[in-house]
Amino acid sequence: AQTVTQSQPEMSVQEAETVTLSCTYDTSESNYYLFWYKQPPSRQMILVIRQEAYKQQNATENRFSVNFQKAAKSFSLKISDSQLGDTAMYFCAFGGATNKLIFGTGTLLAVQP
Amino acid sequence: GAGVSQTPSNKVTEKGKYVELRCDPISGHTALYWYRQSLGQGPEFLIYFQGTGAADDSGLPNDRFFAVRPEGSVSTLKIQRTERGDSAVYLCASSPQGGDTEAFFGQGTRLTVV
Repeated sequence: AQTVTQSQPEMSVQEAETVTLSCTYDTSESNYYLFWYKQPPSRQMILVIRQEAYKQQNATENRFSVNFQKAAKSFSLKISDSQLGDTAMYFCAFGGATNKLIFGTGTLLAVQP
Repeated sequence: GAGVSQTPSNKVTEKGKYVELRCDPISGHTALYWYRQSLGQGPEFLIYFQGTGAADDSGLPNDRFFAVRPEGSVSTLKIQRTERGDSAVYLCASSPQGGDTEAFFGQGTRLTVV
């Protein structure tokens, strides 16, 4: 069975600084997708970035980028130029052959002014 | 509508009562998912619909939980004989086809069983 582990329950960063959130996963599948979702207090899960496992190039979306290490089964999220609006829970998720997402336990990110 | 809509936003019910939670997905999305998010946890998969049929219901915790999607659009999650342990946020998501396509989430229903 697939598992997703986020070992940082909480993180804090100063506005305009860079922060990296960690995620590791375990799977025996070769074709899969990895996601980072943001969940603000409104509860709605918002997709931040996705990575296809077959792509070696790390995905980038504006201030958000990932460091995908397939052999190590690691998928970290880097947020550059952190903004107050980035304050939220961040969930790493695995999507494979079963069509369902497996989520980690989340990291609460606080951006300090 | 523009996004996934879930009603009610909040529901308080007494232990032993029956509840229904509604999900209105994005128009045209054939795949629909239900997840349950307990306090301090990530969402956990409950059930996945492709069209009208439940393609995977392996996440339903027991036979008190049931979900339908009779016309391939709106879905209802039904919980019988509610227990305090059922208290959680129930999230619905839809995607154009399922699989590797992006899932769009609603704002969830916070269920509190007292």
